[in-house]
Amino acid sequence: TQLLEQSPQFLSIQEGENLTVYCNSSSVFSSLQWYRQEPGEGPVLLVTVVTGGEVKKLKRLTFQFGDARKDSSLHITAAQPGDTGLYLCALDSWGKLQFGAGTQVVVTP
Amino acid sequence: DSGVTQTPKHLITATGQRVTLRCSPRSGDLSVYWYQQSLDQGLQFLIQYYNGEERAKGNILERFSAQQFPDLHSELNLSSLELGDSALYFCASSVVSRGNNEQFFGPGTRLTVL
Repeated sequence: TQLLEQSPQFLSIQEGENLTVYCNSSSVFSSLQWYRQEPGEGPVLLVTVVTGGEVKKLKRLTFQFGDARKDSSLHITAAQPGDTGLYLCALDSWGKLQFGAGTQVVVTP
Repeated sequence: DSGVTQTPKHLITATGQRVTLRCSPRSGDLSVYWYQQSLDQGLQFLIQYYNGEERAKGNILERFSAQQFPDLHSELNLSSLELGDSALYFCASSVVSRGNNEQFFGPGTRLTVL
């Protein structure tokens, strides 16, 4: 059983559309990280959310941490083909990262 | 480019064989982590070293072992290979050992066991 459940598993959209991916757990987190992994590469950290209710923006990406610190979402506005990749949420457990299964996002021109 | 290098990029071998994967961390990083990524298990933590000493273990099989050398590079040794060991193996490095810290991932080694 995954500690972190990500949904959807796969998302295919057209350039210019918006999308949201989710990361949920039955446990409370002290913080949560979001990574993007492109084909043939390792994951790259996008953001760390720490405070319940926190919203962080990274250009067209908006990250939200739930008030109860059990869930998080990533919203992409006006998606571009360069946003294509595997989006992973992860918990940092004393240096060990525990990842969700990821959401594969494909943005077609 | 994360600054973490891994060799080789691809490795094809047969069941029962032994292979060694190599990782050089970013300059100044003392912690090295190994992860395995497969289609059915996702990205899983294997083991962590900090300044030459083992710090944490995850779901690492007994057939697998790792070490970190005085120059801080690390090697992951996989022996008695099975078909199910085919996966991407990532190394990551960070400055600090515990707490919230950013891990920088290498490009991975793709292992195929035939």
